[in-house]
Amino acid sequence: EAEVAQSPRYKITEKSQAVAFWCDPISGHATLYWYRQILGQGPELLVQFQDESVVDDSQLPKDRFSAERLKGVDSTLKIQPAELGDSAMYLCASSRGVAGANVLTFGAGSRLTVL
Amino acid sequence: QQPVQSPQAVILREGEDAVINCSSSKALYSVHWYRQKHGEAPVFLMILLKGGEQKGHDKISASFNEKKQQSSLYLTASQLSYSGTYFCGTEKIGAGSYQLTFGKGTKLSVIP
Repeated sequence: EAEVAQSPRYKITEKSQAVAFWCDPISGHATLYWYRQILGQGPELLVQFQDESVVDDSQLPKDRFSAERLKGVDSTLKIQPAELGDSAMYLCASSRGVAGANVLTFGAGSRLTVL
Repeated sequence: QQPVQSPQAVILREGEDAVINCSSSKALYSVHWYRQKHGEAPVFLMILLKGGEQKGHDKISASFNEKKQQSSLYLTASQLSYSGTYFCGTEKIGAGSYQLTFGKGTKLSVIP
């Protein structure tokens, strides 16, 4: 069964350091999402890509977060500098992007702890 | 606009039934249900597209009332494996970007 790959699974960093997360979606999935999930909460959308284009990044804190999907395949989410409040699970998901059948497949996530 | 889920948490004994509700203040195109077990990624359960549509998977089913912009997830004869947090995700009409907004989740615990 096809999976969404994410790395690293766990990242511990100090405040003000830079961190990066990588995601490789299911082959053929045009739409890629980065969600942030704080413990005990639902996933919150940070950025959505359609192929290599950003569709929605309205909830992305652009002063410190950046995301790219250069060739429309894998994607990187970067945080610089990291703050204590950034501690969360960062989930990548992909889908075919077809209305009415837009099932998201999530990766295992990258858990970030900022000290 | 984040959908509202209720209850926030529920504890069941094996074999008991539960209903989880999801409501939105916006007109909806579809409702998705996902389950997340502790430390794992959310896993897709089902999608509902039309008003009144009901779908089922094993002993888990769901309905979508388009007029009320509500969906309910029904878990019957619960099993230990049903434990986890259930999220509804709503897709707005006219969004065009196939974007899901998730609720805060309902934590379900099934005990022997």
